[in-house]
Amino acid sequence: AQKITQTQPGMFVQEKEAVTLDCTYDTSDPSYGLFWYKQPSSGEMIFLIYQGSYDQQNATEGRYSLNFQKARKSANLVISASQLGDSAMYFCAMEGGATNKLIFGTGTLLAVQP
Amino acid sequence: DAGITQSPRHKVTETGTPVTLRCHQTENHRYMYWYRQDPGHGLRLIHYSYGVKDTDKGEVSDGYSVSRSKTEDFLLTLESATSSQTSVYFCAISDGGNMNTEAFFGQGTRLTVV
Repeated sequence: AQKITQTQPGMFVQEKEAVTLDCTYDTSDPSYGLFWYKQPSSGEMIFLIYQGSYDQQNATEGRYSLNFQKARKSANLVISASQLGDSAMYFCAMEGGATNKLIFGTGTLLAVQP
Repeated sequence: DAGITQSPRHKVTETGTPVTLRCHQTENHRYMYWYRQDPGHGLRLIHYSYGVKDTDKGEVSDGYSVSRSKTEDFLLTLESATSSQTSVYFCAISDGGNMNTEAFFGQGTRLTVV
């Protein structure tokens, strides 16, 4: 069965510093995708970054990078140079299997302090 | 923006009444998902669809049913609403299949069962 775990309910970071949000996963499927989404207080879900299970290199999108360690089954999100606008809930997600089931973790609430 | 619409956006209903939420897409995506979001639980998968008339249960499917009679519509029905089903419901769509495509989300439906 698929499972996503985010062990950090909340985190603080100083503006302009980097922060790592943890995500571990479990699946028996060899082919899967990993995602990070941001949910600001307004409620919409914003896609940040994607990593495929066969990708050799870690994904990067601007200030976001995904630290993919397949053997450890971890997919941590790194946000460099944090900004006040990064304050939000962050969700890790995984899709896979024959029916493309898409599941989410419980989220990490990030607060960026000036 | 991806063409995905949830209706209604807000609803208050009484305990014991049936309720149907609609998710409509114009993207012709194969996969569709229903989640509920509650504090401390992240997004929990209720049901999902991997094609017309092909659906499967998620982790919190009790008390919910779904139907997908055509590609663009995915209906979620609360057969007899209970107060524990008060939540924010999100629909998502995806092309999936390791195509490096994100899932797109509707705006959410806030359901209150009194």
